[in-house]
Amino acid sequence: EAGVTQFPSHSVIEKGQTVTLRCDPISGHDNLYWYRRVMGKEIKFLLHFVKESKQDESGMPNNRFLAERTGGTYSTLKVQPAELEDSGVYFCASSQSEKQYFGPGTRLTVT
Amino acid sequence: DQQVKQNSPSLSVQEGRISILNCDYTNSMFDYFLWYKKYPAEGPTFLISISSIKDKNEDGRFTVFLNKSAKHLSLHIVPSQPGDSAVYFCAAGISSGSARQLTFGSGTQLTVLP
Repeated sequence: EAGVTQFPSHSVIEKGQTVTLRCDPISGHDNLYWYRRVMGKEIKFLLHFVKESKQDESGMPNNRFLAERTGGTYSTLKVQPAELEDSGVYFCASSQSEKQYFGPGTRLTVT
Repeated sequence: DQQVKQNSPSLSVQEGRISILNCDYTNSMFDYFLWYKKYPAEGPTFLISISSIKDKNEDGRFTVFLNKSAKHLSLHIVPSQPGDSAVYFCAAGISSGSARQLTFGSGTQLTVLP
């Protein structure tokens, strides 16, 4: 069974540019989560999809972040325009129960 | 304010000995807890979990203990192996209601010395 995959693995962009991260969850998992780890600190929740619906987006930092999950399969997280403080590792996770399975993450560097 | 805290950023243990990683939480609504292991450039990998109705869960070399009155849990690894060297994250969740996100601690870097 394929795990959670994320693309790209790394992205380096300049301040003000736009970046789109993609996550493909484990097939059949209705729950999809986005998390972020900044500067080696704790992993922080961003938002939660159940199928194509946003269940909880209380962790989204501001309106420069937009997440979608059209069709309830893969999800994208767009940052526009990117700021320096957006740098970090963005993780996606999927689940059908309390146990969440994480992807390898996308390391975003904003210069 | 962090609801899940791992106060030791690092821990070094000799191979074959016991590793004990600690985690404290403040939110009494948390009713399940998980430990994840993370290697560099990889995502967190699920290790073991425990429900709040239990005080111990064991899986091979890994045992998680939960003390609800103290809002404290610990992960014991016996015997420790060099391949266990990684960052260990404690995470907590609430199983009821619609909020299903995990709240993580800041991690503990475990180094097992050969």
